[in-house]
Amino acid sequence: AQSVAQPEDQVNVAEGNPLTVKCTYSVSGNPYLFWYVQYPNRGLQFLLKYITGDNLVKGSYGFEAEFNKSQTSFHLKKPSALVSDSALYFCAVRDVNAGNMLTFGGGTRLMVKP
Amino acid sequence: DGGITQSPKYLFRKEGQNVTLSCEQNLNHDAMYWYRQDPGQGLRLIYYSQIVNDFQKGDIAEGYSVSREKKESFPLTVTSAQKNPTAFYLCASSATGDSYNEQFFGPGTRLTVL
Repeated sequence: AQSVAQPEDQVNVAEGNPLTVKCTYSVSGNPYLFWYVQYPNRGLQFLLKYITGDNLVKGSYGFEAEFNKSQTSFHLKKPSALVSDSALYFCAVRDVNAGNMLTFGGGTRLMVKP
Repeated sequence: DGGITQSPKYLFRKEGQNVTLSCEQNLNHDAMYWYRQDPGQGLRLIYYSQIVNDFQKGDIAEGYSVSREKKESFPLTVTSAQKNPTAFYLCASSATGDSYNEQFFGPGTRLTVL
């Protein structure tokens, strides 16, 4: 079975500071990993994904994420946070050998204060 | 929210009624998905379809039904057998059902049982 954990319900950061939203996963095979963002009463927007190759993945809006196989983590990062980054962030995983079902974490609310 | 539309945006249902949520995509995607979102629980997969006239149950299919008669359409019916249907429903699609493809989400339908 595959699972995803987002250990922080909320992350608070000041505008201009770096931000990190944590994600750890569990799969039996190799993972495909995704980050999505959700603004209030909207659908999810794709940010970035890790499939294979370079462990540092760059995505939309200046976000990046680092795949760490030994720590089974895929933390989302941004060097300088904006107030407009405030939203709900979801990490998701697919086990390469376990079909096409995507498992989502519970979400982390990011609050960026001016 | 890309080329995926969901209607209605808000839906109110009386107990004992069946209701149908619409999902249409113009992205020429083969695969489509329905998720349910409850506060603090992330997204849970209800049904998915990788090709026309074929669909599979997800984690929480009981009380729901779907059809996939056309590539661009994947309606979800919430039946009276679903005991706690109040939630935010999200439709998504991906180019194919291959696990490395990201999913694109519609804006969602908020269903409330009166």
